[in-house]
Amino acid sequence: QKEVEQDPGPLSVPEGAIVSLNCTYSNSAFQYFMWYRQYSRKGPELLMYTYSSGNKEDGRFTAQVDKSSKYISLFIRDSQPSDSATYLCATSVYGGSQGNLIFGKGTKLSVKP
Amino acid sequence: NAGVTQTPKFQVLKTGQSMTLQCAQDMNHNSMYWYRQDPGMGLRLIYYSASEGTTDKGEVPNGYNVSRLNKREFSLRLESAAPSQTSVYFCASSGLAGGRTDTQYFGPGTRLTVL
Repeated sequence: QKEVEQDPGPLSVPEGAIVSLNCTYSNSAFQYFMWYRQYSRKGPELLMYTYSSGNKEDGRFTAQVDKSSKYISLFIRDSQPSDSATYLCATSVYGGSQGNLIFGKGTKLSVKP
Repeated sequence: NAGVTQTPKFQVLKTGQSMTLQCAQDMNHNSMYWYRQDPGMGLRLIYYSASEGTTDKGEVPNGYNVSRLNKREFSLRLESAAPSQTSVYFCASSGLAGGRTDTQYFGPGTRLTVL
């Protein structure tokens, strides 16, 4: 079993919809969680990060971590066509000395006007 | 700040040819990384350098070598390219001196095709 599992999609939603993207992980030592957004033919860019369980909000984006279920989510409110991209979850052990991240394979999202 | 820059953006090689991918960062980060991204496989770590002067293997190091030239620059070399190395290669960097090293910032990528 891969350490981080992510449904690859693709996921297609109409403009204005609420989007839910999810990952599960297997290693309870992971404590640092991130979401990256990757536009077509571009490098991944950091979107959200959190160190612990609970919610973190940034504009239309909310990252949620449930350590008891080993489940991480990204919610996008009022989705826009500009949100169309691949979203990758990533995690690592808190304070990892090498800075190594474990990535999910990414979910491709398309927001239709 | 340019962030993380990579050259070249595109490259086509013939089997057996060699080449070096260049990466530089201007964020004063200690750690640098090389990944490859293939359809259905996600991002896979090739090599990383936790600090200037050190390098370590990642998940898929075979067929590659790296050099941490200085704090800013980290190069990836393919000595004898194979079609299986056709991929998109990303360089990343993370951390500040004495700070957390988990947040990685990526370059724009190099699209490599080996014929």
